[in-house]
Amino acid sequence: EPEVTQTPSHQVTQMGQEVILRCVPISNHLYFYWYRQILGQKVEFLVSFYNNEISEKSEIFDDQFSVERPDGSNFTLKIRSTKLEDSAMYFCASSSELAGGGVGKNIQYFGAGTRLSVL
Amino acid sequence: AQTVTQSQPEMSVQEAETVTLSCTYDTSESNYYLFWYKQPPSRQMILVIRQEAYKQQNATENRFSVNFQKAAKSFSLKISDSQLGDTAMYFCAFMRGGNQGGKLIFGQGTELSVKP
Repeated sequence: EPEVTQTPSHQVTQMGQEVILRCVPISNHLYFYWYRQILGQKVEFLVSFYNNEISEKSEIFDDQFSVERPDGSNFTLKIRSTKLEDSAMYFCASSSELAGGGVGKNIQYFGAGTRLSVL
Repeated sequence: AQTVTQSQPEMSVQEAETVTLSCTYDTSESNYYLFWYKQPPSRQMILVIRQEAYKQQNATENRFSVNFQKAAKSFSLKISDSQLGDTAMYFCAFMRGGNQGGKLIFGQGTELSVKP
């Protein structure tokens, strides 16, 4: 069964350093997402991406964050200068369509996440 | 703005029993979707069940079913014949429909423990 793959599973970095979190979405999917979950809290939307541009972003997704689809398979989240409060689990998700259509077309499939620890 | 509320931070159930997790939401949208996701200790988010708001019929998926009350903006999850593997955090989530959709808005989660 196709799945969303995220690497690395755990990233440790020093405050102020740049990190890139990588995701390989399901191959025929067109919509890509990043979510964040601070330990013990709910999952929060960061950004959605379609047709090589950002569709929507949250207030959390400030100038320190960027996303890119550098080739036909990878989808990355970059944090330019990490802060202590960026420590969280970051989830990538993908879907084949936004909404409507048939059953299953707007379901987002999640990767296993990358745990980011900022020291 | 849409909000999702799960008022039960923790619940427990005996194996083979039935448990119901509550979720309420607030929206002015008429076209939307509701989801329940499961997050086991591995922390992977796994879809449990999906409901289209325009459908009156409650969604079912094997031992999992929902009670969707659109007027009350309530979307509860019933797990029948609970199994030890159902132990996880359960998140209720909302998504707008149409071309404005895509973003999932999650509730705070309910931690379910299934006891042998």
